[in-house]
Amino acid sequence: DAKTTQPPSMDCAEGRAANLPCNHSTISGNEYVYWYRQIHSQGPQYIIHGLKNNETNEMASLIITEDRKSSTLILPHATLRDTAVYYCIVRVARGYGNKLVFGAGTILRVKS
Amino acid sequence: DTAVSQTPKYLVTQMGNDKSIKCEQNLGHDTMYWYKQDSKKFLKIMFSYNNKELIINETVPNRFSPKSPDKAHLNLHINSLELGDSAVYFCASSHHTGGVVIKNIQYFGAGTRLSVL
Repeated sequence: DAKTTQPPSMDCAEGRAANLPCNHSTISGNEYVYWYRQIHSQGPQYIIHGLKNNETNEMASLIITEDRKSSTLILPHATLRDTAVYYCIVRVARGYGNKLVFGAGTILRVKS
Repeated sequence: DTAVSQTPKYLVTQMGNDKSIKCEQNLGHDTMYWYKQDSKKFLKIMFSYNNKELIINETVPNRFSPKSPDKAHLNLHINSLELGDSAVYFCASSHHTGGVVIKNIQYFGAGTRLSVL
């Protein structure tokens, strides 16, 4: 699996957009970008994933650069409840051996 | 209804004891996982079962023995507990078709915090 690099921490004001970057320069053609988050003392939660097109769901938007070497997760109106560790993971979407490899992630602190 | 539920939520025990953690999912998934999150907060896969068959075993000491009585349950039994086993253990599940992962979305339980004294 391709390796990802994320900043260790970020702050965001409540109500503003939170933009979390991720570098994955060694991503291969069949690998998707996945985002999960872990709120304190809870299990990880799936947020969104994408291959090359930008994606949006009820939780967030995912912007993937044209060369697919980096991506940005956008929480459009961050709330205090969005304070969590955000993990960017690169993985094939289909196949056997479906383990998720979690890095250190980005600690997002949303402040009032 | 909780999709992936683990019991117990907290487990405090002495070194050398044997303990079990249970996991159940009601999502109709056929693949389940155990992850370990240590004090440094890194999440690492331990095991994965697909339709009661072991498909991932990530160099975990053989004191850890997963058991899947059916595809909705994956239990983790730990023998001769050691101080280093203290961690939070997460169960997860996902959906496959014919052994091939679809979308690769995993749903996690709330975790079991194990403290070995």
